[in-house]
Amino acid sequence: KAGVTQTPRYLIKTRGQQVTLSCSPISGHRSVSWYQQTPGQGLQFLFEYFSETQRNKGNFPGRFSGRQFSNSRSEMNVSTLELGDSALYLCASSLVGSSTDTQYFGPGTRLTVL
Amino acid sequence: TQLLEQSPQFLSIQEGENLTVYCNSSSVFSSLQWYRQEPGEGPVLLVTVVTGGEVKKLKRLTFQFGDARKDSSLHITAAQPGDTGLYLCAGDFWENSGYALNFGKGTSLLVTP
Repeated sequence: KAGVTQTPRYLIKTRGQQVTLSCSPISGHRSVSWYQQTPGQGLQFLFEYFSETQRNKGNFPGRFSGRQFSNSRSEMNVSTLELGDSALYLCASSLVGSSTDTQYFGPGTRLTVL
Repeated sequence: TQLLEQSPQFLSIQEGENLTVYCNSSSVFSSLQWYRQEPGEGPVLLVTVVTGGEVKKLKRLTFQFGDARKDSSLHITAAQPGDTGLYLCAGDFWENSGYALNFGKGTSLLVTP
């Protein structure tokens, strides 16, 4: 079974631009979560989608948004990029998103904002 | 958001030594997970502990969940270079009917031959 894939793996943008990151979950998984990882803050939860609905959202500004498609693939968008948005963005998928599920993480997208 | 404190932040040891990593919180978690992350990759789940006082072993790794379900530890016996990586603990929480993991900042372990 293929793992979680994220595209692109690396991205360089400048301040003020916007960016879209993509995540393809493991086949059959309906829950997709997004996390931001930085050296200073560690992994922080962005949002979680299940069956095309956002069920949970972390404490991030409205510039961070996401969506999930009917095939469970998910995208996240960051508008008006700031230097502090430079981070590794990780996507995780699980069957239904619960305590008994195993979260499988993708390799991440490394975003650099110049 | 519940805070998870991990210690130590960095650990550099020689092959064959033992080590313990701690994960503490003021909040109670229904379950706590340990992950290992290697450079260029996402975290990989090592174990999930659910019951207070629970001890789980994974080869040379021993995981313990505190009786009050607020803290956990990871003990590695006879560390090997292959154990090098970032060890993360995570507690689950539910908010607005959605599930998420709250991570500690991690312990970066370097095991040298």
